[in-house]
Formats: sequence, C-alpha cells, structure tokens
Amino acid sequence: AQSVTQPDIHITVSEGASLELRCNYSYGATPYLFWYVQSPGQGLQLLLKYFSGDTLVQGIKGFEAEFKRSQSSFNLRKPSVHWSDAAEYFCAVGGLTGGGNKLTFGTGTQLKVEL
Amino acid sequence: GAVVSQHPSRVICKSGTSVKIECRSLDFQATTMFWYRQFPKQSLMLMATSNEGSKATYEQGVEKDKFLINHASLTLSTLTVTSAHPEDSSFYICSASFLGGRETQYFGPGTRLLVL
Repeated sequence: AQSVTQPDIHITVSEGASLELRCNYSYGATPYLFWYVQSPGQGLQLLLKYFSGDTLVQGIKGFEAEFKRSQSSFNLRKPSVHWSDAAEYFCAVGGLTGGGNKLTFGTGTQLKVEL
Repeated sequence: GAVVSQHPSRVICKSGTSVKIECRSLDFQATTMFWYRQFPKQSLMLMATSNEGSKATYEQGVEKDKFLINHASLTLSTLTVTSAHPEDSSFYICSASFLGGRETQYFGPGTRLLVL
C-alpha cells in the first residue's frame, strides 16, 4: 500500500529565508508525486507535480521539488519565503494502482512565516 | 484552466435533514471525481470515487446510504448527506481529474457543513 510521511507538523521561518518541507513516500512502482497548498477554509491548490523525467520540478509561486528515488523523498523548496506563503502544505502520491488514480495524502505541514 | 467549483461554500442544517453539495468542473470534462472529508487540522480522507455514469466506489468505513454520490454528467457530481447528524459536520472537498490528465486532481474550494 502506498503511504506518505510528512515528518514536520509545524514549521516557522522568517520572511525572506529559505524553506524546505520534507516528504517521504512508500510506493511499489514509479510514483506520481504532488505538492498541494491549502489556505485556511479553502480547497487545495496544486503547486507542482512529478511524473517522470527531470527530477527537479518547478512549480508555481517560486516553489520547486526534487524527486530522489534512492531516498524515497520529494521535498519542497523555496529560496525566499513570502508572508503570503503561510498555509498548510500537503504532499501526495498516486499512480496506476488497482484502485485507479487515487491519491494518498500526507498529514500536512503547517507553515508559519514570521515578519 | 482546470477549475473546479463547489456549491454551497457553507451550509447549516438541522439534524435529520439532508444536504446536497454540488461539484462542477468548469473548463474541462471530469471523467473521475473524488469526494474527501477533512477534519480540523487534519489531512484529507477520501470518501469515494465516482466515474461519470457509474456507481461510486466508496472507501472502507464510509456509509454509502448516508453519503449518496451522483456523477450524472462529465461536469457535475453531487454529494448528498442524508439524515445529517452533528457528527457529520465537517469540511467536504471534491476534486476532479480527466482522461489523459495523468492522475492530477484539481480541487474545489470546499464546503463547510454544520449540523445543529
């Protein structure tokens, strides 16, 4: 069964500092990997996704993520955080399993940005 | 592109009544739609998957008679919470994907349900 672990429940960074949110996954084949962001009371917005090819993926809002198969990781990074980046971030894994294209989400990381 | 809407955004109802939530894909044909439930400060819990014109597939532990899902067209799916009780109060989020979209799900803004 596929699973996703986001080890950090809360992270606080200063505005302008760099950010890295960790994500580890367990999946039997080549996974499809996603990062979503959720602002309070809102749905999820897709930041970026990895299916194949270049392991460094660029997303919206200046985010990027790197797929490392050897470490089963897909960490999200941003070189300089803005106050508006404060939100909940979810990593998800999916793929062509017997259950169709279902996604499995991590428990999320709450990002707080200090001004 | 790939915009999903939900209606209503918030609903308050009395215990014992039924509530219908709509999920629409606005600019694409959604071959598959998903319904999630999210408790405060928790991750998303998949409730069911529906394909247009087919019966929904419910996750283990989700009561299909309580959470009725209809996916009548390629742009609309509905979730009806029947005989709602206070424990059904939650944030319900739908998502949609399309054939050839490579597993990417596009999420609606969510519906906050409060059952009194």
